[in-house]
Amino acid sequence: DAGVIQSPRHEVTEMGQEVTLRCKPISGHNSLFWYRQTMMRGLELLIYFNNNVPIDDSGMPEDRFSAKMPNASFSTLKIQPSEPRDSAVYFCASSTRQVGMNTEAFFGQGTRLTVV
Amino acid sequence: AQKVTQAQTEISVVEKEDVTLDCVYETRDTTYYLFWYKQPPSGELVFLIRRNSFDEQNEISGRYSWNFQKSTSSFNFTITASQVVDSAVYFCALNRNNAGNMLTFGGGTRLMVKP
Repeated sequence: DAGVIQSPRHEVTEMGQEVTLRCKPISGHNSLFWYRQTMMRGLELLIYFNNNVPIDDSGMPEDRFSAKMPNASFSTLKIQPSEPRDSAVYFCASSTRQVGMNTEAFFGQGTRLTVV
Repeated sequence: AQKVTQAQTEISVVEKEDVTLDCVYETRDTTYYLFWYKQPPSGELVFLIRRNSFDEQNEISGRYSWNFQKSTSSFNFTITASQVVDSAVYFCALNRNNAGNMLTFGGGTRLMVKP
């Protein structure tokens, strides 16, 4: 299995621009998570999807952030407009969650976003 | 509210030394899972272990061992005979509201193993 695939690995953008981060979860996993890692706040959960439906988006920092999961094999995290304080490493993770079984989360390699 | 505390921000040891990474957690849930992840210099997060709150048995996997003590809300991680390749940041995590992999992470402990 290829694991969780994120693209791009690195993104540098100017303040005010739209940024879209992409994630392909592990095939067969029905839960998907977006996390953000910064020096100041550490690792924090942004949003959780189960069966393509957003379940908890309480970690999304503000309206500039949005996430979608149009199908079981693809998710996006969009920031519009981006700001320098959005600079961070964004991780996507996937797992299986169903009655009687709940696997651990497998993380992608992350997207390092720099907003200048 | 849930909280995970890793009081040791950085630990430095010499190769072959044993090292213990501390993790203390807070939760109101009666059922929960605890995790350890490793983040090597390359940046990815690597799963190490998951432990159910009802299972307080200690676990050993090669040079790694974990000590779960519910009475003190701790889930400590010991590396025996450390190696340079163990150098990484280690994160302890707790799932939120028994909700699968919605994880609350500790701040991480940076382990440096010197040859």
